[in-house]
This record gives sequence, structure tokens and C-alpha cells, in this order.
Amino acid sequence: GAVVSQHPSWVICKSGTSVKIECRSLDFQATTMFWYRQFPKQSLMLMATSNEGSKATYEQGVEKDKFLINHASLTLSTLTVTSAHPEDSSFYICSAFWGNPGTAEYFGPGTRLTVT
Amino acid sequence: QKEVEQNSGPLSVPEGAIASLNCTYSDRGSQSFFWYRQYSGKSPELIMFIYSNGDKEDGRFTAQLNKASQYVSLLIRDSQPSDSATYLCAGRVGGGSEKLVFGKGTKLTVNP
Repeated sequence: GAVVSQHPSWVICKSGTSVKIECRSLDFQATTMFWYRQFPKQSLMLMATSNEGSKATYEQGVEKDKFLINHASLTLSTLTVTSAHPEDSSFYICSAFWGNPGTAEYFGPGTRLTVT
Repeated sequence: QKEVEQNSGPLSVPEGAIASLNCTYSDRGSQSFFWYRQYSGKSPELIMFIYSNGDKEDGRFTAQLNKASQYVSLLIRDSQPSDSATYLCAGRVGGGSEKLVFGKGTKLTVNP
């Protein structure tokens, strides 16, 4: 399957600081990348859809000014959690997709964020 | 609202048995369906996808799709303890959207 990487794999930050998470598709060009959040023992929650060169589309209830998404190229999307608070502590996972409706999303390994 | 429903489980089977995971979906416009496996603390891993009615086999896994009944299933033959995980069913919504709608997952335990 296709390879998607995320960096960092885990991060601890202090409340009020910002954290940037990178998502890269390593062996294909991703027309679309998705960002998910998952709290312990809960299902995946889609945060936003990111298309290269255009603004991200956020799901209802997700603050676009808090979760800044940039999809600068067909292989890189970044999620910046601004002014992080303890309630933002979660497992953030990106996935990448290259546009054929029959093709799957491939997930990155995830980034575990802990805000102290 | 477009939904994917899964048996919440948990499902427990003995090693070597067939595990059957089921999923229904509400959006008749959904064209393609995916099964992911998620180990605790890890991200989802694609097992199979299917978009034609009928069965699709890959090794010990068989996905089944019945569009008339809006039903998708995953069979795991000769279940192994390493198959113990949460299995997520997902459908790509219709209408040109690229988003996947995920079920809440079924936790499978294979007992040695």
C-alpha cells in the first residue's frame, strides 16, 4: 500500500503554545489529505479536508482559526494547533488520497499530542 | 445524515474460527467501501476495499457487498490472535465528495 508519514510521532507542549504536525505522502501525489482526531476509546473524527493549493474545508464544530491547515504541495500538508490547551490533547492522524473514488485513503502513523 | 453502522461488539472468536464483521450504510449514493484494522494506540491500516456487488477475496479476508441491502461485511478465515483489533468499516459518500464516513468500529478478540 501507499506510504504516508507524519512528524512528529508524539509531542508534549505547554498550554498556550502552538504545535505543527506534518503529513507527507511518500510514494504518490495526494490530491487530497484529511485530518482526523481520535480521543481514547472513541472513533475517528474528521476535522478537515485539505486540497493542494486551496483552503481547507473544516467539519462543523472545528475551529478553523485554532486548527490551521496548509496543503502547500501534492505531498505535504501541515496542521498547526494554535494556542493549545489540555483539551486539545489527542491522537491526530492524517490520511492521503489521490482522487479516484475507488481508491482508499492511506493513513499516517498518527501524532500523539499532550498539552500540559 | 449519511451514516455507517457497525455491530459495536465486542466480538470474540477462538483461534482458527471465522470472524464475521458486519456493516450497513444509509447513503445509496455510496460507491466504494473500505475495511480498516486499528490496533490500540495505532492508526488505521487498510485491509480491503470493495465497490462491486459480490465477494472480493484477499488471502484470509473476504469482503462482501450487497448494494440492494446496503450491507457490507468482512470475513476473516482461520482467525489468529494477531487479528485482535478494532475493525472500521467506511464508505465513500456519494455526490462527488471524497470523504469517508466511518462506522464506530467493532472490537475483535481472537482467543488462543
